[in-house]
Amino acid sequence: QKEVEQNSGPLSVPEGAIASLNCTYSDRGSQSFFWYRQYSGKSPELIMFIYSNGDKEDGRFTAQLNKASQYVSLLIRDSQPSDSATYLCAVISDAGGTSYGKLTFGQGTILTVHP
Amino acid sequence: GAVVSQHPSWVICKSGTSVKIECRSLDFQATTMFWYRQFPKQSLMLMATSNEGSKATYEQGVEKDKFLINHASLTLSTLTVTSAHPEDSSFYICSARTGTNSPLHFGNGTRLTVT
Repeated sequence: QKEVEQNSGPLSVPEGAIASLNCTYSDRGSQSFFWYRQYSGKSPELIMFIYSNGDKEDGRFTAQLNKASQYVSLLIRDSQPSDSATYLCAVISDAGGTSYGKLTFGQGTILTVHP
Repeated sequence: GAVVSQHPSWVICKSGTSVKIECRSLDFQATTMFWYRQFPKQSLMLMATSNEGSKATYEQGVEKDKFLINHASLTLSTLTVTSAHPEDSSFYICSARTGTNSPLHFGNGTRLTVT
């Protein structure tokens, strides 16, 4: 089982719709969760981070965390063509030792927002 | 804040030569920096964790003698790809953060092409 899994997509939504991106993780002790956006040929940029169960909103983005289900999601409201990118879920393992603080990425979900 | 600068952004070198990539944290001190590699259409793979003033920690399967990491100060880490071969051609990205569970901030990446 992969440590961090995402639905690889591609996910295609029309402009103005809500895009829903999902991620599950295997390390139950994980405490920190991040969503990054990566445009083709570019390095990742931080979109959201969340540490506590529940929802966290920032503009059009909402991150949702459910530690009991080991599940984290990202909702993008009013999707725009400029949101088309690969979205990476990342988790900091709380395994201790040399893994402490290590950020593990999912394989990414390709999102396409069509006009 | 939390800006990470990486140089060069792209480099082409001949097989057998060495290439040095620099990563700087511009507005914060980073005792730990991380080096990732990304092949086309794949996710980021952690290569090594760079620790200021001590040896780097390499991920399984990464040759420490081929990918030399030096973290001589709190704001600078370098990755040297020694005796580069075409299979080393990839997108190399450094990252750093302000605290153990804080988000990673990425440099712009270095696209290495070995001919």
